[in-house]
Amino acid sequence: DSGVTQTPKHLITATGQRVTLRCSPRSGDLSVYWYQQSLDQGLQFLIQYYNGEERAKGNILERFSAQQFPDLHSELNLSSLELGDSALYFCASSVVSGLAGVRHTDTQYFGPGTRLTVL
Amino acid sequence: AQTVTQSQPEMSVQEAETVTLSCTYDTSESDYYLFWYKQPPSRQMILVIRQEAYKQQNATENRFSVNFQKAAKSFSLKISDSQLGDAAMYFCAYMAAGANNLFFGTGTRLTVIP
Repeated sequence: DSGVTQTPKHLITATGQRVTLRCSPRSGDLSVYWYQQSLDQGLQFLIQYYNGEERAKGNILERFSAQQFPDLHSELNLSSLELGDSALYFCASSVVSGLAGVRHTDTQYFGPGTRLTVL
Repeated sequence: AQTVTQSQPEMSVQEAETVTLSCTYDTSESDYYLFWYKQPPSRQMILVIRQEAYKQQNATENRFSVNFQKAAKSFSLKISDSQLGDAAMYFCAYMAAGANNLFFGTGTRLTVIP
């Protein structure tokens, strides 16, 4: 158990709908990362938040958005869902990384993932 | 751009034997970190081992060890005394120091034969 929790474990929805995935980081971790794992794209970085602020963006679609709340949990919102959005969505957390002037990189610990199926 | 290549889509090993999974990467950075993550059928991503590029000594974690060749940009994972529970997808990952995200390879599926 990594200490990162994600809910729900499974989500089945229809095209055009909107869903919210939730992540709670490990105790003490300030950074949250979202990754998408799909059959055709592999594991891809979507977005990072650090202590409530967006820190970095990867291959995240405009239909997707995220936020990190004061208690450090994070939510990934996926809207206008398409069949191709079906994937496993992981949240990961670390103490701190990606800060300007900070060369140290902390290990990212992954949650169990949310499997999204769009029908 | 950073790329991570795992050229072995599938590997198999007899229980109690040793297996080596290959990974190469491409980067222009001199300071970076490399990781091996394991993804069993449960789909959980589990950290296996981590290597800092500035360290010449290869990382080890119990039965898992790496062969880090910085000049060749190679980072292989050796699993000794393979166990049935080692069966999983193994992903090699790269992160530049101070960066925000991991770059993953396409994975190697390891089968352990009893």
